[in-house]
Amino acid sequence: KAGVTQTPRYLIKTRGQQVTLSCSPISGHRSVSWYQQTPGQGLQFLFEYFSETQRNKGNFPGRFSGRQFSNSRSEMNVSTLELGDSALYLCASSQPAGASTDTQYFGPGTRLTVL
Amino acid sequence: GQNIDQPTEMTATEGAIVQINCTYQTSGFNGLFWYQQHAGEAPTFLSYNVLDGLEEKGRFSSFLSRSKGYSYLLLKELQMKDSASYLCAVRDTDSWGKLQFGAGTQVVVTP
Repeated sequence: KAGVTQTPRYLIKTRGQQVTLSCSPISGHRSVSWYQQTPGQGLQFLFEYFSETQRNKGNFPGRFSGRQFSNSRSEMNVSTLELGDSALYLCASSQPAGASTDTQYFGPGTRLTVL
Repeated sequence: GQNIDQPTEMTATEGAIVQINCTYQTSGFNGLFWYQQHAGEAPTFLSYNVLDGLEEKGRFSSFLSRSKGYSYLLLKELQMKDSASYLCAVRDTDSWGKLQFGAGTQVVVTP
């Protein structure tokens, strides 16, 4: 079974621009979560989507948004980019089957650099 | 909210055993995960605990004590490829798809 895929893998943008990142979950997985990873803050939860609905949102400004499509693929968007948005953005998918054992599997990430 | 603490770095020699501790404070608890992350790569799932006790999976074992808010990951027969960051993550009861991560423990395996 193919793993979680993310595109693009690398991205360079300038301040003020906006960016869209894409995530395709493992086949059959319906939940997609997004995380931001930086050296200073570690892995921080951005939001989670399930059946095209946002179920949870982390403590990030409104410039960060996302959506999920009917095929479970998800996108996240960051508008008005700031230097501090430079990070590795990770997407993780899980079924979920409603069991406490539901495990999140991560994609390779998108490395965003804001200049 | 949750507070998750783990040591910043640990060093051990090839063939040895290393134990990485993780303590957490949480208003709700619905499972603790351990992930391994090599530099520049995505985290990969290692183990999961939701009930007290030890889970063994090959060279890796993970232990949980919910009453103490404590878990550890045990790496046996260390290999050079085990040099990586090990992340402890907790899931809350009302946030199924949200994991709260510790800062990670960098394990350095020396010859």
